[in-house]
Amino acid sequence: DAGITQSPRHKVTETGTPVTLRCHQTENHRYMYWYRQDPGHGLRLIHYSYGVKDTDKGEVSDGYSVSRSKTEDFLLTLESATSSQTSVYFCAIRPQMNTEAFFGQGTRLTVV
Amino acid sequence: SQQGEEDPQALSIQEGENATMNCSYKTSINNLQWYRQNSGRGLVHLILIRSNEREKHSGRLRVTLDTSKKSSSLLITASRAADTASYFCATDGIQGAQKLVFGQGTRLTINP
Repeated sequence: DAGITQSPRHKVTETGTPVTLRCHQTENHRYMYWYRQDPGHGLRLIHYSYGVKDTDKGEVSDGYSVSRSKTEDFLLTLESATSSQTSVYFCAIRPQMNTEAFFGQGTRLTVV
Repeated sequence: SQQGEEDPQALSIQEGENATMNCSYKTSINNLQWYRQNSGRGLVHLILIRSNEREKHSGRLRVTLDTSKKSSSLLITASRAADTASYFCATDGIQGAQKLVFGQGTRLTINP
């Protein structure tokens, strides 16, 4: 298995609180991605990174920010969590464009 | 909107039968990939087919790509109970090639 770890694996938080999810890789891959998975929507791209300090928005980026200060870590922050952000969040990595991606085990986030 | 749309959304067949899932996409691509997701787990890469390829095989998997119709199919032959999972297509577009955009998935159930 690719060396990719998401933390925490489960989290319950209250509406309006900030939340940060962490994705850590040991593969030294250039590209890192954050997706959310909801019933009926498949996986939707939130943000991705193509290098340290290089990030860009995906299709559902509103309400989310990201940071990548080191190759191995990609952080996803919900500045003020809302119930609509209740979801399962997946991190993925890949060495370069046009190659396969490797996924973490997911973080189940519940906003109450 | 998402790049990939899959059909059917759910498929239930008997063990030993073949399963076919389809994926349509909207813009020109560099490649198309298929992933499997077992319940509650991260996605696992199955196969990647490049835009200049028409067919690719991997074990019991056969993938076709028709760029003129912007569609792909995944065929699983001689299905097994262990093939029960959700299957997703994903595309690397020519525009925005750093993104990896997923479809909504097909839920496959293999009945013993």
